[in-house]
Amino acid sequence: DVKVTQSSRYLVKRTGEKVFLECVQDMDHENMFWYRQDPGLGLRLIYFSYDVKMKEKGDIPEGYSVSREKKERFSLILESASTNQTSMYLCASTSTQGGYGYTFGSGTRLTVV
Amino acid sequence: QKEVEQNSGPLSVPEGAIASLNCTYSDRGSQSFFWYRQYSGKSPELIMSIYSNGDKEDGRFTAQLNKASQYVSLLIRDSQPSDSATYLCAVNLSGGFKTIFGAGTRLFVKA
Repeated sequence: DVKVTQSSRYLVKRTGEKVFLECVQDMDHENMFWYRQDPGLGLRLIYFSYDVKMKEKGDIPEGYSVSREKKERFSLILESASTNQTSMYLCASTSTQGGYGYTFGSGTRLTVV
Repeated sequence: QKEVEQNSGPLSVPEGAIASLNCTYSDRGSQSFFWYRQYSGKSPELIMSIYSNGDKEDGRFTAQLNKASQYVSLLIRDSQPSDSATYLCAVNLSGGFKTIFGAGTRLFVKA
C-alpha cells in the first residue's frame, strides 16, 4: 500500500514561530500536495509540486512556502505562524495528473497560540 | 472560480437502506471524479473513482457520472453503521494537476 507519512499528528506553536510540516511518501509519486481543512470550508489547496524542486501555488498560498528537494519529501513551511493558521493540514500524493486519486497522510493538527 | 457542490447534510438513513450522495461541478472539461470517505478525526480515504459516463460498481458502492449534467453521485447499498462518515466529492480540473473538493456530506446510518 502507498504510504504518506506526516511527521507530527499534533503540534502547538506560538505566534510568530517558523513551523515546518514534513511529508514523506514511499511510492515514487511525482505529484504531492498540501491542503488545509477547516470546518465549513472543506479542503483548500495551499501548494502542490509535480516534480523535484518544482512548486505551484494553490488557492491559499499566503503565509506559506514549500520545499521539495527530494522526490519523496514535500515540506510545508509557515514563515511566521499566526492564529488563523490553526487548522488540520493534510499532505497527499498521486502518481499521475490526479487521474488515480490521492493518498492522504494522517494529517497534522496545528494549533497556534 | 471552479466549484464542486455537495449537500452538507446530515443525511440520515436506517441500517440496510440505500444512501444516495450527490455532487455537481462547474468545470465542464473535467475528466476524473472521485469519492472519498472521511471518518471523524481522520484523513480522507479514496473509495471510488470514475472517468466515463455511466455507473461503476465496487462492492456495496456505485458511482454514477453524467458529464452532460455535470453531476456525480455515490450510492451505498445495504448501509451499515460503519458507513457513518463524511463523504467528499472531488473533481480533477481539466488541463492541470489540481483537484477541487466539495465540502462533504455527513452521513449517519442508524442501527
